[in-house]
Amino acid sequence: DQQVKQNSPSLSVQEGRISILNCDYTNSMFDYFLWYKKYPAEGPTFLISISSIKDKNEDGRFTVFLNKSAKHLSLHIVPSQPGDSAVYFCASVGGAQKLVFGQGTRLTINP
Amino acid sequence: DTAVSQTPKYLVTQMGNDKSIKCEQNLGHDTMYWYKQDSKKFLKIMFSYNNKELIINETVPNRFSPKSPDKAHLNLHINSLELGDSAVYFCASSHRDRGYGYTFGSGTRLTVV
Repeated sequence: DQQVKQNSPSLSVQEGRISILNCDYTNSMFDYFLWYKKYPAEGPTFLISISSIKDKNEDGRFTVFLNKSAKHLSLHIVPSQPGDSAVYFCASVGGAQKLVFGQGTRLTINP
Repeated sequence: DTAVSQTPKYLVTQMGNDKSIKCEQNLGHDTMYWYKQDSKKFLKIMFSYNNKELIINETVPNRFSPKSPDKAHLNLHINSLELGDSAVYFCASSHRDRGYGYTFGSGTRLTVV
């Protein structure tokens, strides 16, 4: 009963190109979404978020798109840099400030 | 000046033992959490406390008991450890008035042998 799913466990992208990470959710009550980035042996760090009243939020090289009708969001990184290599988690806000996470996508940026 | 610190970073112990993981945050946040990352890499919430009050208690065996002596600390005590408890446990904190961006600790890798 995973309510947040990231169906690609891994993604490999050439440096300088666009990285697109995808996330699907099932609970139509979710109204706030976040992306976290995680390096090995560290905790996840907050990257970018979006409210359900928007369909796009941009912060520098990072843009998150939300398609509520499809219950789908994506994270675009452009241009991709080697330091972007990490595991990316999508999360939605459940009740009581609880975050529900996807299982993560490992992004590798190749030089 | 670590924002959310948890100790120990690694913990190897035998089945049946009792162990504790400590967490402290110096961000002035009012809510703290414990998350478990299992072998399939899912991050799942276990508990959350707001100002020392238990807010979320997911379906977790009662061998796991959180304790919050004050709003800057949330410790996790585990009794009678089992092999299936092996995982990485993350502490996190947030502030109700500052949005949903959690700050996570660096994790405690628990291995039960």
